[in-house]
Amino acid sequence: SYVLTQPPSVSVAPGQTATITCGGDNIGVKRVHWYQQRPGQAPVLVVYDDFDRPSGIPDRFAGSNSGNTATLIVSRVEAGDEADYYCQVFDYNSDHWVFGGGTKLTVL
Amino acid sequence: EVQLLESGGGLVQPGGSLRLSCAASGFTFSTYAMSWVRQAPGKGLEWVSSISDNGGATYYADSVKGRFTISRDNSKNTVYLHINRLRAEDTAVYYCAKYETPHSGFYSRSFDHWGQGTLVTVSS
Repeated sequence: SYVLTQPPSVSVAPGQTATITCGGDNIGVKRVHWYQQRPGQAPVLVVYDDFDRPSGIPDRFAGSNSGNTATLIVSRVEAGDEADYYCQVFDYNSDHWVFGGGTKLTVL
Repeated sequence: EVQLLESGGGLVQPGGSLRLSCAASGFTFSTYAMSWVRQAPGKGLEWVSSISDNGGATYYADSVKGRFTISRDNSKNTVYLHINRLRAEDTAVYYCAKYETPHSGFYSRSFDHWGQGTLVTVSS
């Protein structure tokens, strides 16, 4: 089955840039989606189709995808960005939807 | 405004059964595939099951295949997850999620709206 690998944690000071990676075999040919989950809340879509943002998501959230790594970049990090972030793809070989293990973003 | 409201969770003994419901509003329910995603306490998100817009196609994670059944009633704007032979490892918050794209183009698409979840606890 297809596996997505994320770092367990990323820490960044307010105002700095956070980079969260999502590794997968040839993930660059897949559509990658990113979700933010604040403590005690449901997930929220922040980036879809590699780099598009839903309405209401600030442009501080940006995505890219190439080769074996997709990346979520959060610029000018704020305290409210502290959350778990998950990447997700669809695996056509298994007809399964796959999530990465999640990355906890800590704002120092 | 899209709303997804899950219900039916609770405390169940191992081996027991449960039916989860997700009532949808704010969009044309019958044209969207739907999904269930769960999250065990302190763990990450795990896709569980999906169903096409007309209910003709269903998909299951290997961990639940044969024990869980997804279904929908488009006349009631509701999707269900029937859970049988519950195990301790099924303890989780179960979220209902809507696909971003209608009809058959949902496979590689995102989950653009989520419910608040319903907690299932399996314990004796």
